[in-house]
Amino acid sequence: KAGVTQTPRYLIKTRGQQVTLSCSPISGHRSVSWYQQTPGQGLQFLFEYFSETQRNKGNFPGRFSGRQFSNSRSEMNVSTLELGDSALYLCASSPGLMNDVEQYFGPGTRLTVT
Amino acid sequence: AQTVTQSQPEMSVQEAETVTLSCTYDTSESDYYLFWYKQPPSRQMILVIRQEAYKQQNATENRFSVNFQKAAKSFSLKISDSQLGDAAMYFCAYRSGGTSYDKVIFGPGTSLSVIP
Repeated sequence: KAGVTQTPRYLIKTRGQQVTLSCSPISGHRSVSWYQQTPGQGLQFLFEYFSETQRNKGNFPGRFSGRQFSNSRSEMNVSTLELGDSALYLCASSPGLMNDVEQYFGPGTRLTVT
Repeated sequence: AQTVTQSQPEMSVQEAETVTLSCTYDTSESDYYLFWYKQPPSRQMILVIRQEAYKQQNATENRFSVNFQKAAKSFSLKISDSQLGDAAMYFCAYRSGGTSYDKVIFGPGTSLSVIP
């Protein structure tokens, strides 16, 4: 069974631009969660999608948004990029909402904002 | 507000020995989950173990076990028979209970080295 895939793996953007990251969960998994990892702030939860609906959201500004498609693939969008958005963005999938122990992570997308 | 503290930024252990990573948390909630995640260098994050706050029995996954002390708000991870592949950053995490939540808090991490 294929693992969680994230595309692209690396991305360089300029301040003010917007970016879209993609996450394809393990086949059969319906929940996708997104996290931001930076040296300064550490790991932070962004949001979780389940059955095409955002179920939970962390404390991030509205510039961070996402969506989930009927095939459970999820995209995360960041508008008006700031230097502080440079981070490793991780997604994780699980069969159900985060109550499930079967959570698997993707390799991450490394975003650099210049 | 909930906080998660990992007081040991770095630790090392001899191969085949046992090591314990510390984690303390602060919360006023009664329903929550605690997790340990492993992030090897340049490799994907892995969920190591999960503990439900309402369960008194400590969770165990093969060589990994936790010591959950709810009253003390302590959640340590014990790795037995340490292997070279255990070398990684370990994160302790807290999540509010239920299926609707906004609090997922990670600790700063502990970097574990395994000495051959």
